[in-house]
Amino acid sequence: EAGVAQSPRYKIIEKRQSVAFWCNPISGHATLYWYQQILGQGPKLLIQFQNNGVVDDSQLPKDRFSAERLKGVDSTLKIQPAKLEDSAVYLCASSLVRGRGNTIYFGEGSWLTVV
Amino acid sequence: KQEVTQIPAALSVPEGENLVLNCSFTDSAIYNLQWFRQDPGKGLTSLLLIQSSQREQTSGRLNASLDKSSGRSTLYIAASQPGDSATYLCAVRDGAQKLVFGQGTRLTINP
Repeated sequence: EAGVAQSPRYKIIEKRQSVAFWCNPISGHATLYWYQQILGQGPKLLIQFQNNGVVDDSQLPKDRFSAERLKGVDSTLKIQPAKLEDSAVYLCASSLVRGRGNTIYFGEGSWLTVV
Repeated sequence: KQEVTQIPAALSVPEGENLVLNCSFTDSAIYNLQWFRQDPGKGLTSLLLIQSSQREQTSGRLNASLDKSSGRSTLYIAASQPGDSATYLCAVRDGAQKLVFGQGTRLTINP
């Protein structure tokens, strides 16, 4: 079974530029998550989708971050304009359904450095 | 607001020792608790998931316990090996179905 796929793996941009990350969840997984992990910290949820609807985006900085999940499968996370403090790993994850018993599976992450 | 704390932040032990990693959470109204492993430059790998109604889960040399009333979980690693070196994260699924993470414990097993 293929895992959660993310691209690009690494990106270096200048502040005020834009960047987009792509995620392909495990086939059949209805729930998709984007997490931000700053070095030395635990991941923080940015946005959670159930199929193509947003369940939770309370911690998404909406003035610069946006995310979409078209057709309930792939998802894109965009940052525009980027700030230095956005340097982090962006982790995509998926689970079978939004439920208490389901394991969440993570991709390997997209590493962003803003200079 | 749910907060998850992991102690210690870093731990270094000789190979072969048994060890315990600690996780505490402030709100006992959780659905489940999950332990993850993260290797440098990699994503998170799920190790064990404990439902709120369970007390422990075991997988090989790993044993995770959950005491929901006191807001604590432990991850016990038996007979540690250098390959166990990684960062270990615990996360709780709260009432809003959100997964809240601790900051992790960086474990180093010395040969």
